[in-house]
Amino acid sequence: GAVVSQHPSRVICKSGTSVKIECRSLDFQATTMFWYRQFPKKSLMLMATSNEGSKATYEQGVEKDKFLINHASLTLSTLTVTSAHPEDSSFYICSARDASGGSYEQYFGPGTRLTVT
Amino acid sequence: AQSVTQLGSHVSVSEGALVLLRCNYSSSVPPYLFWYVQYPNQGLQLLLKYTSAATLVKGINGFEAEFKKSETSFHLTKPSAHMSDAAEYFCAVSDRNTPLVFGKGTRLSVIA
Repeated sequence: GAVVSQHPSRVICKSGTSVKIECRSLDFQATTMFWYRQFPKKSLMLMATSNEGSKATYEQGVEKDKFLINHASLTLSTLTVTSAHPEDSSFYICSARDASGGSYEQYFGPGTRLTVT
Repeated sequence: AQSVTQLGSHVSVSEGALVLLRCNYSSSVPPYLFWYVQYPNQGLQLLLKYTSAATLVKGINGFEAEFKKSETSFHLTKPSAHMSDAAEYFCAVSDRNTPLVFGKGTRLSVIA
């Protein structure tokens, strides 16, 4: 149980276009989802936290107009990178938590490799 | 605020030798602590977790970690390294309400 999927696993886009990444909890309801970004050979940096039906809370330094997060249902969150530029190239990882039973654990998706040319 | 410090960005051991990856945490509330492994171009895999039960935690692939409150540490060990253990390892801390905060990671190399 507790499987989180991400789609796509890899995406290449041209500079100036927008890209949407989906994160789904397959067998549980994710009351909270998190988006992390990982630069090459670096750690995971939390970008934002989203609760179902609410606006996402962004970490300091993360542009909310550039990284649009939607958590419209208990099983789906999306991250849209708007007007992507080469510096947005990174590995994006989502994570989901089911807090309904008092759980604390975060389950991670397999990640999405974004390359902006 | 919670934080994690992983001592040593790169650790190299011989195959069959002891693996010791260090993690120290800072938390104003009782922490939950985790170790994850990441292979190249892959996501995170949970190795083990501490959630205020037994202080010595056993995980997958022969890894274990011991929670030491007095030292604010949660070091990861494995008695005998295998070539397949070569990867990036991340220590992370959270509580029930906060997202996981990761350390900077330690790259483990295993030499034949």
